[in-house]
Amino acid sequence: EAGVVQSPRYKIIEKKQPVAFWCNPISGHNTLYWYRQNLGQGPELLIRYENEEAVDDSQLPKDRFSAERLKGVDSTLKIQPAELGDSAVYLCASSLARGSYEQYFGPGTRLTVT
Amino acid sequence: AQSVTQLGSHVSVSEGALVLLRCNYSSSVPPYLFWYVQYPNQGLQLLLKYTSAATLVKGINGFEAEFKKSETSFHLTKPSAHMSDAAEYFCAVRPAGDDYKLSFGAGTTVTVRA
Repeated sequence: EAGVVQSPRYKIIEKKQPVAFWCNPISGHNTLYWYRQNLGQGPELLIRYENEEAVDDSQLPKDRFSAERLKGVDSTLKIQPAELGDSAVYLCASSLARGSYEQYFGPGTRLTVT
Repeated sequence: AQSVTQLGSHVSVSEGALVLLRCNYSSSVPPYLFWYVQYPNQGLQLLLKYTSAATLVKGINGFEAEFKKSETSFHLTKPSAHMSDAAEYFCAVRPAGDDYKLSFGAGTTVTVRA
């Protein structure tokens, strides 16, 4: 069984440029999460989807971040414009359903904003 | 709000020695607790979880953890360290019940000396 797939793995951009990250969850997983992991810290939740509905985006900085999950499968997280402080690893995770204990994480996208 | 504290950002052990990683949580009601491992440039992998069943939980790769309500702790141990255990370890907490949200500690980096 394929795990959570993310691309790109690494991205370097200049500040004020836009950037997008893509995630393909495990097949059949209805719940999808985006996390941000700053250097030396644990992941912090940005947004959670149940199928195609964003049910918790309270931690998403909506002035510059947006996300979508079309058809309840793949998801894209976008930053526009990027700031220096956005440099981090962006992790995608999925779980079978909302109540599932285990979340399966992808390898992440390491973003560097210069 | 749930929170988790990992004592010690770095732990160095000799190969074959005991690995002990400390985690304390703050919650008025015993939550669900998790340990994740993250190898370089990879996503997080679940080592083990406590979900209100047995207080001594066994996980993958020879790790185990004990839930101690009186100490609000969930320390992770492995009797004999292997070189392949070098990684970063995260303790995470989730409220019992319907709230899905995982809150992670800052992580502990383990190095194993030959």
